[in-house]
Amino acid sequence: KAGVTQTPRYLIKTRGQQVTLSCSPISGHRSVSWYQQTPGQGLQFLFEYFSETQRNKGNFPGRFSGRQFSNSRSEMNVSTLELGDSALYLCASSLVLTKGETQYFGPGTRLLVL
Amino acid sequence: AQTVTQSQPEMSVQEAETVTLSCTYDTSESDYYLFWYKQPPSRQMILVIRQEAYKQQNATENRFSVNFQKAAKSFSLKISDSQLGDAAMYFCAYTGRDDKIIFGKGTRLHILP
Repeated sequence: KAGVTQTPRYLIKTRGQQVTLSCSPISGHRSVSWYQQTPGQGLQFLFEYFSETQRNKGNFPGRFSGRQFSNSRSEMNVSTLELGDSALYLCASSLVLTKGETQYFGPGTRLLVL
Repeated sequence: AQTVTQSQPEMSVQEAETVTLSCTYDTSESDYYLFWYKQPPSRQMILVIRQEAYKQQNATENRFSVNFQKAAKSFSLKISDSQLGDAAMYFCAYTGRDDKIIFGKGTRLHILP
């Protein structure tokens, strides 16, 4: 089975722009989670989707949003980019939405905001 | 709020030796999961080992084992017979009632040949 894929892998944007990142989960996986990874804050949970519904959300401003499609693919959007949004954005998928379920991570999208 | 603390930002170990990475967490919940994830340089993060809080037996996966001390809220990872491929960033993580995964800041492990 193909693993979790994320596109694009690298992205450069300027402040004030918006960006959309895409995540395709492992075939058959219905849960997708997003994380932001920075050297200072480490890995922080953004949100989790299951069956096209947001089931959980981290402590991020409303500029960060996401959605999940019927084929379980997910996108996250960041509007009005700030320098501090520069990070590695990781997507992870799991078979179902069960506590303790193994999450499979994608390679990430590295976003640089200038 | 739950927290996960990894007190060792970096560690080094000689190839074939044993190393233990520390992790402590804080929670008032009784039903939760703990994980160790490995993130090799420029490669995808993968699950190394998982422990269910209600299971007293320490989890083991080949050369990787944990020392889970529930009362002390400690969850250390032991890597035996260290190999060059074990060089990576290791993250301790917790998930509880709200299903959010909380990660520690990570420990960068260097393997010395």
